[in-house]
Amino acid sequence: DTEVTQTPKHLVMGMTNKKSLKCEQHMGHRAMYWYKQKAKKPPELMFVYSYEKLSINESVPSRFSPECPNSSLLNLHLHALQPEDSALYLCASSQQGQFNSPLHFGNGTRLTVT
Amino acid sequence: RKEVEQDPGPFNVPEGATVAFNCTYSNSASQSFFWYRQDCRKEPKLLMSVYSSGNEDGRFTAQLNRASQYISLLIRDSKLSDSATYLCVVQEAAGNKLTFGGGTRVLVKP
Repeated sequence: DTEVTQTPKHLVMGMTNKKSLKCEQHMGHRAMYWYKQKAKKPPELMFVYSYEKLSINESVPSRFSPECPNSSLLNLHLHALQPEDSALYLCASSQQGQFNSPLHFGNGTRLTVT
Repeated sequence: RKEVEQDPGPFNVPEGATVAFNCTYSNSASQSFFWYRQDCRKEPKLLMSVYSSGNEDGRFTAQLNRASQYISLLIRDSKLSDSATYLCVVQEAAGNKLTFGGGTRVLVKP
């Protein structure tokens, strides 16, 4: 069982829709991440939050908008997505800025953009 | 050159055999290293951290070679359930950026 919870597990949305992905962790981790993973590829980093502040944005298009309301929650707001944005979206957390601190992943949200 | 590279495989392994594969990294200042396993359509799960002196967890052994800048994973007595993609992850000296290798696919067959 994962200690990082993501909802929804599956999402189908049209290109004009607005939706949000949610992630929650209660391990006291202060670093939270969004990754995107396409089939047969490794996870690709999108955003990193450190102490609820955005610390890394890997040049992600503005149609993806992250939000970190508090230390346990991470959202990803989606608007005007393209079919090529269909992928598995993974949330992860880790202890802030420590070495040998692995990522703990949620189950992911499988997104299909039609 | 990619920052973290792996042989994509697949490594076809007879059940009970030993298989080993490497992951090379380009940043000599990298400090932390991990192996993850990922099953089809599932999230990556931490298999083990890799320590400087090497470490073992049951049938799995991880090694770090800083001079040649690679880590390795060895699986002994392979089980059918070991079939998965194995991802190496490298953490840079500072900050929270962890970089994934492309993954190595392992197929254990009866």
